[in-house]
Amino acid sequence: SYVVTQPPSVSVAPGRTARITCGAYNIGGKGVHWYQQKPGQAPVVVIYQNSDRPSGIPERFSGSNSGNTATLTINRVEAGDEADYYCQVWGPGSDDPYVFGSGTKVNVL
Amino acid sequence: QVQLQESGPGLLKPSETLSLTCSVSGGSVTSKSHFWNWIRQPPGKGLEWIGYIYNTGYTNYNPSLKSRITMSLDTSNNHFSLNMTSVTAADTAFYYCARETYDILTGFNGGLDPWGQGILVTVSS
Repeated sequence: SYVVTQPPSVSVAPGRTARITCGAYNIGGKGVHWYQQKPGQAPVVVIYQNSDRPSGIPERFSGSNSGNTATLTINRVEAGDEADYYCQVWGPGSDDPYVFGSGTKVNVL
Repeated sequence: QVQLQESGPGLLKPSETLSLTCSVSGGSVTSKSHFWNWIRQPPGKGLEWIGYIYNTGYTNYNPSLKSRITMSLDTSNNHFSLNMTSVTAADTAFYYCARETYDILTGFNGGLDPWGQGILVTVSS
């Protein structure tokens, strides 16, 4: 099975930059979405197709994907960004199974 | 605006069959631009993709669950369903349904959006 690895947690001070990684073999050859999940809520997509941002998501959120690592970057971190973040890997074929990363808790200090 | 709502029993006994329905409002399960997904999350743990169904009835399942699950579409009532046989305590989780915007021809994939609020299914004797 395809294994996708995320760090369990990332701690960042308000106003600084948080980087969350999603590692897997040749993940750069696949597509990656990123989701934010706050306690008691369903996940919300914050980045789709590696680096595209849905309407309503702040420009502070950005994504990249190359080689064996995809990265979600949150600039100028705010207290409201504290949440669990999951990457989802898909493709390249439409019938390839989807895989979620294990999730990363972003702690805002 | 599309909204999804899960429904089904909250408590099952081991070996029973789980049956969940996701009702769709503000959109149609016959859409050619969307896949209809199920995802689950054990309490306090991470997300696990279960599978999706397309308007043609085409399905794609998580290989680890494939032998126990079946998904179906009900176009008359605009909902889609998940059946999972022989449940155990390990199947205790929040179950979410979600719409995925995916154009197979262009390769555009907008991710899972929106999601239902989720339903907790507990398997216990």
